[in-house]
Amino acid sequence: NAGVMQNPRHLVRRRGQEARLRCSPMKGHSHVYWYRQLPEEGLKFMVYLQKENIIDESGMPKERFSAEFPKEGPSILRIQQVVRGDSAAYFCASSPPTGIGEQFFGPGTRLTVL
Amino acid sequence: AQSVTQPDIHITVSEGASLELRCNYSYGATPYLFWYVQSPGQGLQLLLKYFSGDTLVQGIKGFEAEFKRSQSSFNLRKPSVHWSDAAEYFCAVGAKEAGTALIFGKGTTLSVSS
Repeated sequence: NAGVMQNPRHLVRRRGQEARLRCSPMKGHSHVYWYRQLPEEGLKFMVYLQKENIIDESGMPKERFSAEFPKEGPSILRIQQVVRGDSAAYFCASSPPTGIGEQFFGPGTRLTVL
Repeated sequence: AQSVTQPDIHITVSEGASLELRCNYSYGATPYLFWYVQSPGQGLQLLLKYFSGDTLVQGIKGFEAEFKRSQSSFNLRKPSVHWSDAAEYFCAVGAKEAGTALIFGKGTTLSVSS
């Protein structure tokens, strides 16, 4: 059973461009979470999604950031008009629909904004 | 407020010496506690978790942690550190139900000297 997959692993964007980060959860997992890790910081929750639904986006910045988890395909975290402060590692985690809420993390996407 | 505090930003331990990393939490519901390890440029690997039962839990790589409800602590220990243990360690707290965001501490960086 493959783990959580994220791509790309590294992404470089210039200010004003768009960044798209992809996450494929573990097989059988229908819950996806996105976290952001700024330099010298721990992980901060951004958003929690189930298939075709955003359940909790309390940690998402109000502007430029959006997330989706379509019926088919990976979950996408989209950052529009990136700024230098968006440079961070973005981690995706998944969990099964029932049982204890242990989350399994992907390797992360490291975004660098020039 | 819900939070996780890791008081030690950086710890250096001699190889073969014992290790204890501290973690204190504040959480409104029954806490489910986790320790993750992150090597440079890598994702998060789960070391161990506590949900209920025996308050001393064993994890991978020879690590253990003890849950102390009265002190709101979940300290990580290892009797003999190896050079390969050098990494960043994160304590996290969440709830039982799937779909609950994890709250992370800022992490403790462990260096191992020879």
